[in-house]
Amino acid sequence: GESVGLHLPTLSVQEGDNSIINCAYSNSASDYFIWYKQESGKGPQFIIDIRSNMDKRQGQRVTVLLNKTVKHLSLQIAATQPGDSAVYFCAESGFRDSWGKLQFGAGTQVVVTP
Amino acid sequence: ETGVTQSPTHLIKTRGQQVTLRCSSQSGHNTVSWYQQALGQGPQFIFQYYREEENGRGNFPPRFSGLQFPNYSSELNVNALELDDSALYLCASSSDGTDTQYFGPGTRLTVL
Repeated sequence: GESVGLHLPTLSVQEGDNSIINCAYSNSASDYFIWYKQESGKGPQFIIDIRSNMDKRQGQRVTVLLNKTVKHLSLQIAATQPGDSAVYFCAESGFRDSWGKLQFGAGTQVVVTP
Repeated sequence: ETGVTQSPTHLIKTRGQQVTLRCSSQSGHNTVSWYQQALGQGPQFIFQYYREEENGRGNFPPRFSGLQFPNYSSELNVNALELDDSALYLCASSSDGTDTQYFGPGTRLTVL
């Protein structure tokens, strides 16, 4: 994904609901995809990753879905909590050809309301 | 906490000056990548160091340079600072043969 400037897309979610954050990636040769959570004033925190030979991977309260046909990645958060409020970034990299260079999307601001 | 540390936390410089930022990688990690994150944007890859050698570079000018030491800690140096260099500078460490990068808290650089 390309950076879109200062105004991040915002997802407003009610506490306890499920969240779905979407990401369109740019390089069809990308092999590895990763989601990070970034809280204000902090560095990105690893959430979950997935390789291109999979289409779904689950973690604790999170699921990542990969659709290579349309170059789309999504992160699902179950039972969203106030502590999930943050900016979420997807990132991609090529298999052993980009020296681990991560290409980040623009980010989505998630706001959890009580 | 990832175990990746960065110093200093904040830094203010003026245009034309030079700056050095430092990063200590997570124990057992031999690869350090540096990213620049402008306000409201995703991180942009600057370069990566693997076993003390530069192992790839993004679209940044030569005035951005780095080092990696035998203990795998790393420095990012920026010469001739410009106003647009104001950003959060992040380092991330990873281990040989894996792709997952773990980020430090970043250094907030302000250029006046």
